[in-house]
Amino acid sequence: GEQVEQRPPHLSVREGDSAIIICTYTDSATAYFSWYKQEAGAGLQLLMSVLSNVDRKEEQGLTVLLNKKDKRLSLNLTAAHPGDSAVYFCAVSESSGSWQLIFGSGTQLTVMP
Amino acid sequence: ETAVFQTPNYHVTQVGNEVSFNCKQTLGHDTMYWYKQDSKKLLKIMFSYNNKQLIVNETVPRRFSPQSSDKAHLNLRIKSVEPEDSAVYLCASSSGLGKNTLYFGAGTRLSVL
Repeated sequence: GEQVEQRPPHLSVREGDSAIIICTYTDSATAYFSWYKQEAGAGLQLLMSVLSNVDRKEEQGLTVLLNKKDKRLSLNLTAAHPGDSAVYFCAVSESSGSWQLIFGSGTQLTVMP
Repeated sequence: ETAVFQTPNYHVTQVGNEVSFNCKQTLGHDTMYWYKQDSKKLLKIMFSYNNKQLIVNETVPRRFSPQSSDKAHLNLRIKSVEPEDSAVYLCASSSGLGKNTLYFGAGTRLSVL
C-alpha cells in the first residue's frame, strides 16, 4: 500500500526566512495531494490541495510543488512569521476514490521572532 | 469557524472502563471519520462512515466501535480501554470520499491510567 514519508520532523527558522517541508510517496497512482496545518490544541486545517495534473500552486505566501517523476511533494512557506508555528502534515490519496487520506508523520515548525 | 464539534475535550479514565466520545458536524457532509493521533502526532485512520456504509481500518481493535444516528453524528465507543488507547481522537467530515477536504474537530484527549 501507499507509504508517505515526511521530513524534517522538526524545523526552526527565523521570522522572514523560508521553510520547506518535503513528502515522498510510493504509489504512482496517487492523484490527490494536500497540506494541513495543526495548531496547538486544535484539529487539522487544510492549507492547499492539488491534483496530479498540477506541478505548482501558490497561495498567500505558500507554494506547493509536485514532482511526479520523483514522487515528491513540497510545501514552501516564504517569509515565515511566528503565527506559522504549528505542525504541518502532507496527505495523499489514490485516484480510485480511496476512502482514506494517507498522512505524513508531521513537521513541527517553529518560527522565532 | 468551527463546524465539527467534539465532546468532551478531555477524558481521564481507568483501564477496563467504557468511554464514549461524541462528534457532530454542521456542514451537511455525508462522510465522517475518526482518527487517532498518538503522542508523536502520528495520525491513523480508524473508521469512515458514508451513506450508512462503515469502512473499518482492519488494524483497529474490536473494542472500538463507531455509532451513528444520522449523517451529522458519528460517535466513538471504546468498550474496555487499555493504556495504549491514550491519545487524541480526531473527528473529521468531508463531502464524499477520496479527494475532498477534511474538516476536523479540535479532538478529544483520552488519558488511561
